[in-house]
Amino acid sequence: GQNIDQPTEMTATEGAIVQINCTYQTSGFNGLFWYQQHAGEAPTFLSYNVLDGLEEKGRFSSFLSRSKGYSYLLLKELQMKDSASYLCVVMDSNYQLIWGAGTKLIIKP
Amino acid sequence: EPEVTQTPSHQVTQMGQEVILRCVPISNHLYFYWYRQILGQKVEFLVSFYNNEISEKSEIFDDQFSVERPDGSNFTLKIRSTKLEDSAMYFCASRDGTAHTDTQYFGPGTRLTVL
Repeated sequence: GQNIDQPTEMTATEGAIVQINCTYQTSGFNGLFWYQQHAGEAPTFLSYNVLDGLEEKGRFSSFLSRSKGYSYLLLKELQMKDSASYLCVVMDSNYQLIWGAGTKLIIKP
Repeated sequence: EPEVTQTPSHQVTQMGQEVILRCVPISNHLYFYWYRQILGQKVEFLVSFYNNEISEKSEIFDDQFSVERPDGSNFTLKIRSTKLEDSAMYFCASRDGTAHTDTQYFGPGTRLTVL
């Protein structure tokens, strides 16, 4: 079966760094996306990785290891507005998106 | 910046009624999607649409559901006879179609409440 695992909830402090991990087992792989979703709103695109390594985009970075079926999203200089759910999403061999349940990130002052 | 729009933002209906959810994808995009998210649960794929026909659909997308692109801009999801368990956020998404791995951009969603 297809499976994506990520922590249900994490808490971090404003100004700090947090790493949200994701492991996946899917039928084929055509890339991994990270989306941010604030409560009651639509998912918004953060990053896309298809090759191993780190992609940096401002305060956010995403890492992929295909051999380990592992990715993480790194958020630096946390701001209160970063409080949201972060969704790990894998595109399988049929180009279908397989969605993780999301990690709810709580930022405390 | 172009964006996907959806109407209405919130729809309340009685069980057994038909509802139509509307989406306007980004204008030069070629692939369109509907997803749903029951409160507190993960996003679930419903259907993808390309070249005026369904390209993929999930088990959720049964005979009660249909999609249509009635003109050059709108993309609709119809639920013929709503059930209580259809209550969810429904998101439309589109991508430009240059590559399968293109990012899908999501609309703000329609919150459907079935009473």
